[in-house]
Amino acid sequence: QKEVEQNSGPLSVPEGAIASLNCTYSDRVSQSFFWYRQYSGKSPELIMSIYSNGDKEDGRFTAQLNKASQYVSLLIRDSQPSDSATYLCAVTEGRSARQLTFGSGTQLTVLP
Amino acid sequence: GAGVSQSPSNKVTEKGKDVELRCDPISGHTALYWYRQSLGQGLEFLIYFQGNSAPDKSGLPSDRFSAERTGGSVSTLTIQRTQQEDSAVYLCASSTARGEQYFGPGTRLTVT
Repeated sequence: QKEVEQNSGPLSVPEGAIASLNCTYSDRVSQSFFWYRQYSGKSPELIMSIYSNGDKEDGRFTAQLNKASQYVSLLIRDSQPSDSATYLCAVTEGRSARQLTFGSGTQLTVLP
Repeated sequence: GAGVSQSPSNKVTEKGKDVELRCDPISGHTALYWYRQSLGQGLEFLIYFQGNSAPDKSGLPSDRFSAERTGGSVSTLTIQRTQQEDSAVYLCASSTARGEQYFGPGTRLTVT
């Protein structure tokens, strides 16, 4: 069974710090990797996509992918209280981009 | 452009009644997914439609659940003879060819 593992947290960081969220996955042939942010009572929102090894930066967010280690991470620089949410890691199943396996999410709290 | 829309946003029903939940995906997205999320829990995959192919129903929890997609666009999830354990938020998503899934706002179902 394909698995996506995340530390459930909660993870607390002070405002202005770097938040580091980690995810490991079991399917070696997965091709696409995503991070979603979910505020309490809201639906998941796609914030980052990454498809190749290395880093991808978008504003304060950086996604890092290491396929050899089956590891993907999300760094949030200059964390703000508005970043407080649950972050879901999602990985495509097999070589197809058709379905995603979601992790259970990491709850992040940014303290003012 | 318009995102994924779902209706109703909230539905309260009595145990034993049937309910229909509707999803209108992003125009041009050929894949459509239904998930369920219980309070404080992760995403539970229910069913997936891709173009004209037979749907992947592997996540449906019982034969009381069914879904259809008409004309390759709008989808309806039907729950027959609702039970209290069906209470959850039902989320619909549609995706690009690269697997990026975009979620609707969800339907909160409460079975009394």
